[in-house]
Amino acid sequence: DIQMAQSPSSVSASVGDRVTITCRASQDISNWLAWYQQKPGTAPRLLIFAASSLQSGVPSRFSGSGSGTEFTLTISGLQPEDFATYYCQQTNNFPLTFGGGTKVDIK
Amino acid sequence: QVQLVQSGAEVKKPGASVKVSCKASGYTFTNYEIHWVRQATGRGLEWMGWMSPNSGHTDFAQNFQGRVTMTRDTSTSTVYMELSSLRSEDTAVYYCTRVPCSGGGCDFWDYWGQGTLVTVSP
Repeated sequence: DIQMAQSPSSVSASVGDRVTITCRASQDISNWLAWYQQKPGTAPRLLIFAASSLQSGVPSRFSGSGSGTEFTLTISGLQPEDFATYYCQQTNNFPLTFGGGTKVDIK
Repeated sequence: QVQLVQSGAEVKKPGASVKVSCKASGYTFTNYEIHWVRQATGRGLEWMGWMSPNSGHTDFAQNFQGRVTMTRDTSTSTVYMELSSLRSEDTAVYYCTRVPCSGGGCDFWDYWGQGTLVTVSP
C-alpha cells in the first residue's frame, strides 16, 4: 500500500496568512493526488485533483503543486471559512490512501 | 443538481451486519462509479471500495475483503453497502462518494453523501 505522510498535523494561523501543507508519498505517484477540506460534522470537499487542478467553484487562493512523491497545498490569504482539516489522497492505485490530515485553526 | 442521500444512523451489536443505502439523483446513475469511505470519530479517512453501477463490478480494500458487499438497484438509482461481523472498531461515519468522470479512471470524488453514523456497541 502507498503510505501518505502529511505535515504538519496542525497549524495555527491568522486571517490573511499564507499556509502550506505538505504530503509525501511512499512511492512515485506521478501527479495522482487530490486534496480535500473537511469541516466538523460535514463530508469532505474536493479542492484540488491531479495535484494542481482546481476543482470548479473552489476559490483561487487554494493551489496545489508537486509530482512524484512530494506535494503541497497552499492557501494564499487565509479566510475565516478556511479553518478546517485538510487531507491529501493518492489516486495512483488501489487501495486508495489518505494522509493523516492537517488541522488549520485560529491563532 | 447532483445529490447522494444516505440512510439514517444505525446502532448494531458486535457480530451483526449493517446495510447502508445511498440514493443518487441529478445525473445518469449508471455512468459514474460509487466509492465508500469511512471515518471513525476524530480520526482520518479510510477507503473501503467501489462499485460500478453500470456493470455491478466491485473492488474492495484488503481490510474489508470477505466482510463487505456492495450492490445496486438501478431502478431506484441506489447503491447499498453491507458490512458484516461488526466489531467496535467499525464504529464510524460511512460516506458514499461519486467520481467526477464517467468510465472510471479518476479515483477521487466530487460529490459525497451526508454520511451515516454506524455505532457498534454491546
